[in-house]
Order: sequence, then C-alpha cells, then structure tokens
Amino acid sequence: AQSVSQHNHHVILSEAASLELGCNYSYGGTVNLFWYVQYPGQHLQLLLKYFSGDPLVKGIKGFEAEFIKSKFSFNLRKPSVQWSDTAEYFCAAKGNAGNMLTFGGGTRLMVKP
Amino acid sequence: KAGVTQTPRYLIKTRGQQVTLSCSPISGHRSVSWYQQTPGQGLQFLFEYFSETQRNKGNFPGRFSGRQFSNSRSEMNVSTLELGDSALYLCASSLEGYQPQHFGDGTRLSIL
Repeated sequence: AQSVSQHNHHVILSEAASLELGCNYSYGGTVNLFWYVQYPGQHLQLLLKYFSGDPLVKGIKGFEAEFIKSKFSFNLRKPSVQWSDTAEYFCAAKGNAGNMLTFGGGTRLMVKP
Repeated sequence: KAGVTQTPRYLIKTRGQQVTLSCSPISGHRSVSWYQQTPGQGLQFLFEYFSETQRNKGNFPGRFSGRQFSNSRSEMNVSTLELGDSALYLCASSLEGYQPQHFGDGTRLSIL
C-alpha cells in the first residue's frame, strides 16, 4: 500500500535559520511527489512538484526539495526561514494513473521573529 | 482566474442526517478530487471524478458518494451522518497529465 511519512510533527525555528523537513514514501511504480503548504486560515497551496528529470526541484518562496530515489525521500529545504513561513507543510505522492494523492501527516512549522 | 470554489463554507448537522457539498473546479479542469481532513487522520483521499466518471476511490464506507456533472462541477454526499464525519472536506481540481491539484478552501462539517 502506498504511504507517505513525515517524521517531524512540530518544528520551531528562529528567523534566518535553515529548514529541512523530512518526507519518505512507499510507492510501487512511478511516483510523482509534491509539497503543499497550508498557512493559517488559508487553503492548501502547492510549493513544488517532482514528476521526472532533475531531482533537485525549486519551488515558490525560496523552497526546494531533492528527490533521492535510493532513499525513497523527498525532503523540503529552505536556507533561511522567515516569520511568514509559519504554516503546516504536507508532503504528498501519487502514481501516474489519476489524481489520488496520498498525504503525509503534516509538519507544523513555527518561526519565531 | 477564479480558484476552486466550495460551498457552503460551514455546515452543522445532526447524527443520522445527510449532507451534500458542492465544488466548482477551476475553468478547464476536468479532474475533481475530494479529501477529508481531520486532526486525527490527517488528509485522506475520498474519490476522484474525471469526465463524469469516478476514476479512483479511497477507503471510505458507502455512505460517502459523489458525482460530477457535464460542466465538471462536482458534489459529494454523505448519508446517515456520524459524529466521526466531522471534518474539513476539501475539493481539488487539475488539468490532465502531469499537472498538480489546486485546492479549495473547504467545507467545514460539524456533526452534533
């Protein structure tokens, strides 16, 4: 069965600190990977996506993620976080057939000013 | 371009009732998916519709059903509501192919 796990449930950082959120997946066949962000009171927004090609993908707001197939991982990174990055972050995966996303449990990030 | 629109935003129902939620996808998007978000279970896939046909279904009981109309608008129905159905129900739409899903604000359903 497909699954996505995020090991960090809560992360607290100070502004300008570097961020890395872990995501591991278990998926048979071709996998497409995503990171979504949910700011307080807002809808889920796509940060970045990986379908194929360069395993280092860059997204919006300075975020990037690296697909490491041998480790079944798709970790999210940002070199320097801002207070406005306070949000919940979700890693998600799907196969090539249809749009059934499997989400991780989410990571709540709090950035202290 | 208007985003995914879900109505209503909030609903309060009692056990045993049924409810219908509505989703209007982004113009041109033919795939519509529904998800349930709860604090305990997180985000779980309910079903996906494409061109009025259910293409994928998650692991939810038959009380949860949906449909899609010819204009791609979708409705989700939950019958015989239970307390555990209290959740935020999210709709997402996408173009076909290698395209990500775009989410609406959700309908928050509370069961008393």
